[in-house]
Amino acid sequence: DTAVSQTPKYLVTQMGNDKSIKCEQNLGHDTMYWYKQDSKKFLKIMFSYNNKELIINETVPNRFSPKSPDKAHLNLHINSLELGDSAVYFCASSQGETGAFFGQGTRLTVV
Amino acid sequence: GENVEQHPSTLSVQEGDSAVIKCTYSDSASNYFPWYKQELGKRPQLIIDIRSNVGEKKDQRIAVTLNKTAKHFSLHITETQPEDSAVYFCAASHSGGYNKLIFGAGTRLAVHP
Repeated sequence: DTAVSQTPKYLVTQMGNDKSIKCEQNLGHDTMYWYKQDSKKFLKIMFSYNNKELIINETVPNRFSPKSPDKAHLNLHINSLELGDSAVYFCASSQGETGAFFGQGTRLTVV
Repeated sequence: GENVEQHPSTLSVQEGDSAVIKCTYSDSASNYFPWYKQELGKRPQLIIDIRSNVGEKKDQRIAVTLNKTAKHFSLHITETQPEDSAVYFCAASHSGGYNKLIFGAGTRLAVHP
């Protein structure tokens, strides 16, 4: 069973559209994250939720809105997509002071 | 905030050689240092980690060392194999930050048969 799963795996969309990425973890972890990996492979944290509460919100445009309906799910909604939003978005989860487990990633391409 | 620098950005070795990747961090409060391996098109996977109360940790061919005074930590891979080829990321976080992992820029390791 996949520990951290996100959908879709690939997303191609036009500028200006709104899209969502979904993430679910079955590890029982309390903390979930969204990371963005750009074309140079740099991994940067965007958001972190602990037990459904937002605890980390990095300098991310407010077009990005995370939502955590329960501690096993963390979705990412993006409004008014721009070319610069093209990247791979990784969901991850962790428990306590342990390393984060990553989902398989969503490759977003804005055209 | 925390800043993590990683060197080298690319590393090419012959199969059987050792590979060393080094990272430095800026926040003295950081106390957790994981290493991730990312193969092409795949997710980053945790391969080893170390906490600030430990100076060295080994797991088969992989070892990590930590120098808290100098604020740097290193990944050592011995007897490299072609399947070790990947991008390796170091990261740092502190317990008060809910594991807000700050990543280095990555090292692309190529192991040639």
